[in-house]
Amino acid sequence: GENVEQHPSTLSVQEGDSAVIKCTYSDSASNYFPWYKQELGKRPQLIIDIRSNVGEKKDQRIAVTLNKTAKHFSLHITETQPEDSAVYFCAASTPGTYKYIFGTGTRLKVLA
Amino acid sequence: GAVVSQHPSWVICKSGTSVKIECRSLDFQATTMFWYRQFPKQSLMLMATSNEGSKATYEQGVEKDKFLINHASLTLSTLTVTSAHPEDSSFYICGKEGDKFSTDTQYFGPGTRLTVL
Repeated sequence: GENVEQHPSTLSVQEGDSAVIKCTYSDSASNYFPWYKQELGKRPQLIIDIRSNVGEKKDQRIAVTLNKTAKHFSLHITETQPEDSAVYFCAASTPGTYKYIFGTGTRLKVLA
Repeated sequence: GAVVSQHPSWVICKSGTSVKIECRSLDFQATTMFWYRQFPKQSLMLMATSNEGSKATYEQGVEKDKFLINHASLTLSTLTVTSAHPEDSSFYICGKEGDKFSTDTQYFGPGTRLTVL
């Protein structure tokens, strides 16, 4: 079955700097890769996603890149702000199942 | 997108009792819903896939007799934790797929924090 690894587990950056979180997956059949942001005690919120037929996607300060050959994808946050502080989870999904396998999470702290 | 609600938002129960958690799809019907468990500072772990009108599909290691799932209507799935024990204390989150424009995407309920004394 699918296995998703996520690094780093914690990340501290200065406000205004960039943050990068990386995930690798094992099942080459996976074709959908969402990223979620979860604040303490709250539900995970989708922030960006990418499908396997696309190499990169950007939405304002957030971007995701996908390397299918290497089976890894990354979240990039530029010009970080204190409100970006949260736990970020990547996930991978295979066609037809709609099941998500989540990464272990990255706790991002943006220092003012 | 999609709108999902859960009830209750938190519950405290005594060891040995059963607790029912409801997950509702508020905007459109959902033939499939998902139940996750999240322990403190850990990731979301899929417990089971809830299928309307048929039996739920449980992930390996999840006891189907302990975590009863019922998906009796297209807008409601319930998870019952039977004979709860302190180790069942966790954050339980349900999810459903998005609308026809985003069926790959899952949207989550606000979660239910279960504390078993």
